[in-house]
Amino acid sequence: SQQGEEDPQALSIQEGENATMNCSYKTSINNLQWYRQNSGRGLVHLILIRSNEREKHSGRLRVTLDTSKKSSSLLITASRAADTASYFCAGLKDTGRRALTFGSGTRLQVQP
Amino acid sequence: DAGITQSPRYKITETGRQVTLMCHQTWSHSYMFWYRQDLGHGLRLIYYSAAADITDKGEVPDGYVVSRSKTENFPLTLESATRSQTSVYFCASSEASGGALTQYFGPGTRLLVL
Repeated sequence: SQQGEEDPQALSIQEGENATMNCSYKTSINNLQWYRQNSGRGLVHLILIRSNEREKHSGRLRVTLDTSKKSSSLLITASRAADTASYFCAGLKDTGRRALTFGSGTRLQVQP
Repeated sequence: DAGITQSPRYKITETGRQVTLMCHQTWSHSYMFWYRQDLGHGLRLIYYSAAADITDKGEVPDGYVVSRSKTENFPLTLESATRSQTSVYFCASSEASGGALTQYFGPGTRLLVL
């Protein structure tokens, strides 16, 4: 079973617009991570937010975490065509075990 | 700086054959992982390893075998391939230190079982 479920499954926007992706998860986590996957490539880590944090920023990325609702959101501001990719949230329950549980992803298409 | 590599990148095999997917990392990361990615399922953990000679099952281990005799290598073997094992396989690694919780992924191996 998957830890996270992303919403929407697919998103198409124009360059310069903001993109918001949401993730809901089922069980308690130590932290939640977001990864990006370009077509035919491996996943690349974007940002990590710990369970005691509510918001985190990294460049054009903003992540929020609501542990009471078991949900997270990833906002990409001023999107670029190069942001076109699939985005996955992944929850980590056990820092000793280190195994991530991934959602099914959001496919983002940024039109130039 | 090679990072984490996987071989082969593409593999076609037949049902019943044994297949081994290789994963090699140059960072001396303690943790290594194998995931499979199928449409609509995201990534699912097959096996992971916390250190050399220490391995444990993930979410979907049936039909797979792993070993970790050296820190840098983590091969995944399909003992008798089935069509349901057609997938994209990703290897990943992670440092052991407490704050280093992110994973670094290889480019993937696309496996087709006929």
